Amino acid sequence: GAVVSQHPSRVICKSGTSVKIECRSLDFQATTMFWYRQFPKQSLMLMATSNEGSKATYEQGVEKDKFLINHASLTLSTLTVTSAHPEDSSFYICSARVVASGDFGTQYFGPGTRLLVL
Amino acid sequence: GQNIDQPTEMTATEGAIVQINCTYQTSGFNGLFWYQQHAGEAPTFLSYNVLDGLEEKGRFSSFLSRSKGYSYLLLKELQMKDSASYLCAVMDSNYQLIWGAGTKLIIKP
Repeated sequence: GAVVSQHPSRVICKSGTSVKIECRSLDFQATTMFWYRQFPKQSLMLMATSNEGSKATYEQGVEKDKFLINHASLTLSTLTVTSAHPEDSSFYICSARVVASGDFGTQYFGPGTRLLVL
Repeated sequence: GQNIDQPTEMTATEGAIVQINCTYQTSGFNGLFWYQQHAGEAPTFLSYNVLDGLEEKGRFSSFLSRSKGYSYLLLKELQMKDSASYLCAVMDSNYQLIWGAGTKLIIKP
């Protein structure tokens, strides 16, 4: 159980285009999903916390107009990188928090999306 | 401020035992997590401790002392596939995860 999928796994795009990344919890409902970014050989950096049916909470320094997050259902959150630039190239990882008896708070991660902006 | 400290890198020998320490200072405490992350992949959940003591799960064990703000992850019978980064994370009073920078574990034959 607690499987999270992410799509696409890898994307290459031209500078100025927008890229949408989907994160799905496959076998559980996730009221909260998280979006992280990780540059090579660096630790995870939380970008935003996404709650179903409400606006995402962004971490300091993360532009909400550039990184659009939508959490329309208990199993799906999307991150759209708008007008992507080469400096946005990174490994984007989502996670979903399980809300179930006896398992409060564990985050399960999707496989990640590697974005390369040319 | 909130702070999670763990060693940057450790080296161990195949078949041996290694202990990765984590100390934390956070605003509130709702549990401590250990995750494993192989290079180029997303983290995978290893363990969760919220009460003091040792939790054993196969070759991996995790220990917590809340009074000392301290945890360790113990890996036994090391295998080459255990080469990875190990991330310590604490859930604070707002139920947000505070992440350590990770410990890169290198296993040598």
